[in-house]
Amino acid sequence: GENVEQHPSTLSVQEGDSAVIKCTYSDSASNYFPWYKQELGKRPQLIIDIRSNVGEKKDQRIAVTLNKTAKHFSLHITETQPEDSAVYFCAAISPGGYNKLIFGAGTRLAVHP
Amino acid sequence: DTGVSQDPRHKITKRGQNVTFRCDPISEHNRLYWYRQTLGQGPEFLTYFQNEAQLEKSRLLSDRFSAERPKGSFSTLEIQRTEQGDSAMYLCASSFPVSSGNTIYFGEGSWLTVV
Repeated sequence: GENVEQHPSTLSVQEGDSAVIKCTYSDSASNYFPWYKQELGKRPQLIIDIRSNVGEKKDQRIAVTLNKTAKHFSLHITETQPEDSAVYFCAAISPGGYNKLIFGAGTRLAVHP
Repeated sequence: DTGVSQDPRHKITKRGQNVTFRCDPISEHNRLYWYRQTLGQGPEFLTYFQNEAQLEKSRLLSDRFSAERPKGSFSTLEIQRTEQGDSAMYLCASSFPVSSGNTIYFGEGSWLTVV
């Protein structure tokens, strides 16, 4: 089955700096890669996603890149703000798995003013 | 429509008791998922429904766990004879088919503490 690994587990940056979180997946058939932001005690919220027919997607300060050959995808946050502080999860879906999301272990991002 | 709703939000129970959680998905979403999340970990898949049919169950779902979606709308997750290791947040999510360009939305979760 699909396995998703995520790095780093914690990330500390200064306000205004960029943050990059990386994930690798094992199932080459996976075709959908969402990123979720989770604040303490709250639901995971979708912030951006990418499908396997594109290599990059951008939404304001957030971008995601996908390298299908290497089976990895990354989240890029530019001009970080304190409100970006949260746990970020990457996930992958493989077509044979009834569209169930397989999550990485999460990255705790701290943005210091 | 305010999204996926779950009830109760918090439950404290004594070991050995049964608990039931309810999930109301986004209206007309035909796919419904249950996940479990413990502190410091990512959500782990438990089970999946397409309409009223339970199509997949994780090995994490022991015999003490049962889920239903009787009319293809709301779902319940029951844990019998709870154990301390069952303490976690139980997340419900729903979607239309992801392959059709749809996304999966999560509820706020039901926190279970077994004492």
